[in-house]
Amino acid sequence: GEDVEQSLFLSVREGDSSVINCTYTDSSSTYLYWYKQEPGAGLQLLTYIFSNMDMKQDQRLTVLLNKKDKHLSLRIADTQTGDSAIYFCAESPGSGNTPLVFGKGTRLSVIA
Amino acid sequence: GAGVSQSPSNKVTEKGKDVELRCDPISGHTALYWYRQRLGQGLEFLIYFQGNSAPDKSGLPSDRFSAERTGESVSTLTIQRTQQEDSAVYLCASSFDGSIGGTQYFGPGTRLLVL
Repeated sequence: GEDVEQSLFLSVREGDSSVINCTYTDSSSTYLYWYKQEPGAGLQLLTYIFSNMDMKQDQRLTVLLNKKDKHLSLRIADTQTGDSAIYFCAESPGSGNTPLVFGKGTRLSVIA
Repeated sequence: GAGVSQSPSNKVTEKGKDVELRCDPISGHTALYWYRQRLGQGLEFLIYFQGNSAPDKSGLPSDRFSAERTGESVSTLTIQRTQQEDSAVYLCASSFDGSIGGTQYFGPGTRLLVL
């Protein structure tokens, strides 16, 4: 079955880069996503990457995908206190409209 | 509307009562999903609608849980005879059929507390 694993906690200093890692098991995953959840709020789509790409950059966010190792990472450059949140990695096992499989989330704490 | 909306935002109920949670998807989105998030956990898939039909109900935890969708729009998740373990945030998401990766956009959730 599908499984997505993430480390639970990450703490960084303001201005440093944050790297959040994720591993997944379904090699047929077509899309991989990063969602952000701030306290008391729903999930906000941050970015996604198609499985035939190995990197995607969007402003301060860089997504790296190693399909061979089934490893996904999210790098946040110049981390700010407003980036403190829980970050969820998710895979889309099929194509089109299928339920996502989520990791348990990584809680990012940014120290001023 | 501009985004996915859910109501109520918070619900406190007594064990054994029934509750109804509502989701209004983004206009034009044909797919709708319900997930559950227990405290400190990731998201657990419950049910998915394509139009008004539910091709995948595999995540519903028990027969106390049911959902319907009408008019390819609003969906209601009903939990009968609530139990304390039903306490969680219930999140709804919608996606536009054929969009890139079926990207799902989430509502703010309904926080359910069963006493």
